[in-house]
Amino acid sequence: DAKTTQPPSMDCAEGRAANLPCNHSTISGNEYVYWYRQIHSQGPQYIIHGLKNNETNEMASLIITEDRKSSTLILPHATLRDTAVYYCIVIMARAGVTSYGKLTFGQGTILTVHP
Amino acid sequence: DAGVTQSPTHLIKTRGQQVTLRCSPKSGHDTVSWYQQALGQGPQFIFQYYEEEERQRGNFPDRFSGHQFPNYSSELNVNALLLGDSALYLCASSPRVGSSYNSPLHFGNGTRLTVT
Repeated sequence: DAKTTQPPSMDCAEGRAANLPCNHSTISGNEYVYWYRQIHSQGPQYIIHGLKNNETNEMASLIITEDRKSSTLILPHATLRDTAVYYCIVIMARAGVTSYGKLTFGQGTILTVHP
Repeated sequence: DAGVTQSPTHLIKTRGQQVTLRCSPKSGHDTVSWYQQALGQGPQFIFQYYEEEERQRGNFPDRFSGHQFPNYSSELNVNALLLGDSALYLCASSPRVGSSYNSPLHFGNGTRLTVT
């Protein structure tokens, strides 16, 4: 699975959009980009994932560049409850595999949302 | 619908002892993975269980072992505890074979193990 690089920390004002970047320059054609977050004292929580198209759900949007070497997670209206560590993970889609038990977490980005 | 549940939430053990941690997967999930998260670090994969067998294993010694029961629940056992085993132990589950190809993992809130 490709390695990812994220900034160690970011700040965001409450109500503003939080844009979290992730570099995955060695990503291959059949690797997906997944985002999880971990709020203090809780387990990681799935946010969103994508292959090459931009994706949106009730939590966030994922923008993947055309060359797929980087992506941005967007929280459109950050709240104090979005303060967490955000992990960008690249996972290879393997034929016959329907669940990815083994995730490789990096250090992630500590997002602090302030009033 | 209960998510992934883990017990106990906190545990204190002495070096050299053995510990068993328990996990019940989310309803409808049959695959369980275990992770170790040291303070300030991202979670590290220990192993994955499916159909009551260990399917994948990370870089952890044999002191770490597991089991999966017919009802899909799982246990993580650690023998001969070391001070360095102090960490948050996370369990994650994922759905049955044949469901969504890209199903994400659902994590519990972990067991905080302190070894003194």
